[in-house]
Amino acid sequence: ETGVTQSPTHLIKTRGQQVTLRCSSQSGHNTVSWYQQALGQGPQFIFQYYREEENGRGNFPPRFSGLQFPNYSSELNVNALELDDSALYLCASSSRTSGNQDTQYFGPGTRLTVL
Amino acid sequence: DQQVKQNSPSLSVQEGRISILNCDYTNSMFDYFLWYKKYPAEGPTFLISISSIKDKNEDGRFTVFLNKSAKHLSLHIVPSQPGDSAVYFCAASAYDFNKFYFGSGTKLNVKP
Repeated sequence: ETGVTQSPTHLIKTRGQQVTLRCSSQSGHNTVSWYQQALGQGPQFIFQYYREEENGRGNFPPRFSGLQFPNYSSELNVNALELDDSALYLCASSSRTSGNQDTQYFGPGTRLTVL
Repeated sequence: DQQVKQNSPSLSVQEGRISILNCDYTNSMFDYFLWYKKYPAEGPTFLISISSIKDKNEDGRFTVFLNKSAKHLSLHIVPSQPGDSAVYFCAASAYDFNKFYFGSGTKLNVKP
């Protein structure tokens, strides 16, 4: 069984640029959630994708967008990067059946630095 | 909206003793709670969970207690081991919600 993987591991961008982060979900999982973890804080929910559709969103502006593909892998896109976007971005996969929530399993994260 | 709070940023415990990590929540709709452990440069690792129909769940050295009336949960680690040193996050969700709310974490240091 393959765990959750994320790429790249680290990324450095400048203000105003755009970035795409990638996540491969654990085998058998159909739901992917993205979180932002700033230094010294807990993960903050960005959004969740279930069967290729957005299925819930946190308090993040529209410049944070995502995609989920038929193989359940996912992308997080951030446009017009700001300094405050510097954080660890975590992807978590889970299996959502019959409307029930399931435990989320996290990838190692992508460390984004915006200069 | 800080709906899940971990008020102790750090905890230091001697090896072999009990570690007690605490978590409070404000949303009465939460009915599923989890604890995650996080080492530096790694993503959070699932540790143990509890649903609101229970008040205790045990898995080896780890026990989670839930007090719904006080909106409080705690994680007990007995006996504590140096390898338990990590940041511990509690998280909560409701079955009709799609997201987990995380606390800010407690850094546990288990001294040999």
